[in-house]
Amino acid sequence: EAGVVQSPRYKIIEKKQPVAFWCNPISGHNTLYWYLQNLGQGPELLIRYENEEAVDDSQLPKDRFSAERLKGVDSTLKIQPAELGDSAVYLCASSSSFTDSGANVLTFGAGSRLTVL
Amino acid sequence: AQRVTQPEKLLSVFKGAPVELKCNYSYSGSPELFWYVQYSRQRLQLLLRHISRESIKGFTADLNKGETSFHLKKPFAQEEDSAMYYCALKDNTDKLIFGTGTRLQVFP
Repeated sequence: EAGVVQSPRYKIIEKKQPVAFWCNPISGHNTLYWYLQNLGQGPELLIRYENEEAVDDSQLPKDRFSAERLKGVDSTLKIQPAELGDSAVYLCASSSSFTDSGANVLTFGAGSRLTVL
Repeated sequence: AQRVTQPEKLLSVFKGAPVELKCNYSYSGSPELFWYVQYSRQRLQLLLRHISRESIKGFTADLNKGETSFHLKKPFAQEEDSAMYYCALKDNTDKLIFGTGTRLQVFP
């Protein structure tokens, strides 16, 4: 089991450029999360999917951020255009709501570190 | 508003000393609390959660509703416990809210 897979691991772009991050959750996990982690801070939820439905996107800055989870498996998070303040680690996580032990227990990916110059 | 507070950014102890990482929360409902850990060059992972009432790697955490705390404790720290520890609260919308984290350094 590869766990939650994210790519790219590192991305350096100039401001105003677009960037996209990809996440493949653990097989069978119906819930997928995108978190933002700034330096010295804890992860902050951007968006949560139950299957292909975005059930909580209240923290997603919709003017420049977008996300999708087609077919309820892989997900993509996009930023267009990127700003200097977007430099951070973008974490993807997944969980299963179908087991008592799995509910609300998140498995995280390694993260995608974005640097905006 | 829901909030998780970890007052210490850094906690340094010597091997064999007791450890207590503090976590306080603000939540009006019945909380579900977790501790996540990130070892150097590894992914963020679950350490324990209060509903399991378990001890993992010698760590325990007790939910104190009166003091709104969920402190993480270990009687004898080991060097391999050095890591970043995050306390997290699940709110009534199933959102997981993390604290800012405490870095634990265990010296030999």
